[in-house]
Amino acid sequence: DAGVIQSPRHEVTEMGQEVTLRCKPISGHNSLFWYRQTMMRGLELLIYFNNNVPIDDSGMPEDRFSAKMPNASFSTLKIQPSEPRDSAVYFCASSPRDTNSPLHFGNGTRLTVT
Amino acid sequence: SQQGEEDPQALSIQEGENATMNCSYKTSINNLQWYRQNSGRGLVHLILIRSNEREKHSGRLRVTLDTSKKSSSLLITASRAADTASYFCATVLYNNNDMRFGAGTRLTVKP
Repeated sequence: DAGVIQSPRHEVTEMGQEVTLRCKPISGHNSLFWYRQTMMRGLELLIYFNNNVPIDDSGMPEDRFSAKMPNASFSTLKIQPSEPRDSAVYFCASSPRDTNSPLHFGNGTRLTVT
Repeated sequence: SQQGEEDPQALSIQEGENATMNCSYKTSINNLQWYRQNSGRGLVHLILIRSNEREKHSGRLRVTLDTSKKSSSLLITASRAADTASYFCATVLYNNNDMRFGAGTRLTVKP
């Protein structure tokens, strides 16, 4: 089992550019979560999906952020246009069933927007 | 928004000592989970305790849950330098499926 795979591992971009973060959950997991981690705000839940359907996106900061899960093995988080305050580590996590079972995290994408 | 709050924010101990971290939360929960994060890596699940449980053990880890006080503690016994990491509690709210993390406790175990 390869675990949750995120790409890229690091992303450096200029303000105003579009950024796409990718996640491949563990095969067979039905729930997928996107989190953002910063020193100031800690770990914030952005959005989660159940069976590829977005359930709660109330944590998405603003309309510049969007997330999709076109199938059970792939999800993207897009920021357009990016801003320096979006700089953070973005984590994807998957769970076999729901949050009554443990979350398995990827190693994150460190995003720097200059 | 964060649901759980860990205490202390940072803890430094000698190898072999026990480490205790606390977590408080605000609303009714379905379960509470503890995770560990090494620098530059994703979080790793340690233990899950359900709202109807009071204590769980896993190896050198012991977790307690007091729903009347809305608090949990994580005890690591006989700590090792390799236990150096940040530890987070996460709560799953009753009748909800999202998981909220606290700010974490940074544990340093000195060899």
